[in-house]
Amino acid sequence: NAGVTQTPKFRVLKTGQSMTLLCAQDMNHEYMYWYRQDPGMGLRLIHYSVGEGTTAKGEVPDGYNVSRLKKQNFLLGLESAAPSQTSVYFCASWNRTGGFNEQYFGPGTRLTVT
Amino acid sequence: AQSVTQPDIHITVSEGASLELRCNYSYGATPYLFWYVQSPGQGLQLLLKYFSGDTLVQGIKGFEAEFKRSQSSFNLRKPSVHWSDAAEYFCAVGDGSSNTGKLIFGQGTTLQVKP
Repeated sequence: NAGVTQTPKFRVLKTGQSMTLLCAQDMNHEYMYWYRQDPGMGLRLIHYSVGEGTTAKGEVPDGYNVSRLKKQNFLLGLESAAPSQTSVYFCASWNRTGGFNEQYFGPGTRLTVT
Repeated sequence: AQSVTQPDIHITVSEGASLELRCNYSYGATPYLFWYVQSPGQGLQLLLKYFSGDTLVQGIKGFEAEFKRSQSSFNLRKPSVHWSDAAEYFCAVGDGSSNTGKLIFGQGTTLQVKP
């Protein structure tokens, strides 16, 4: 199993450009999450999904959109990138079956907006 | 509201010395607690977790953590630090009563190991 994978690993955008980050998991997990990591702030939840076709806002959703058309994929979109969105983005997935287990994380995407 | 505080932003220890990383949480019910480690340029790896039962939990790489309800703490310990333990460590609390699986993370503690 590959676990949780993220594409791309690195990206540089100019202000105003758009892009989509792809997260894929092969563990058949129902729940998926997008976090951003900034120095001194830990990980903050952007959006999450509790199943195919469903999405919900997290702690810092402004400027981002998401879609979960397939159970294994969770896409994070930036419609008009801003320098404040320079960050490292992590995707995670979770399986509720059997109790409150740990989330599994992807390797991250480092995004720089100039 | 749930919250997690890691009071130490940066800690430096000598190789072979003992380590304790602090984590305090705020949560109304019994929390689900986790410690994750992030090596430079990598994703997060689970070290250990606490759901219930024995308050001293063992994890990977020789780490352990103790849940103290009276102090709302879940401190991470290791008796003898290795140079490869240099990384960033995150404490997280999960809302086991919800259907979302969401985690709240602390700010992280960066561990530097001196030779």
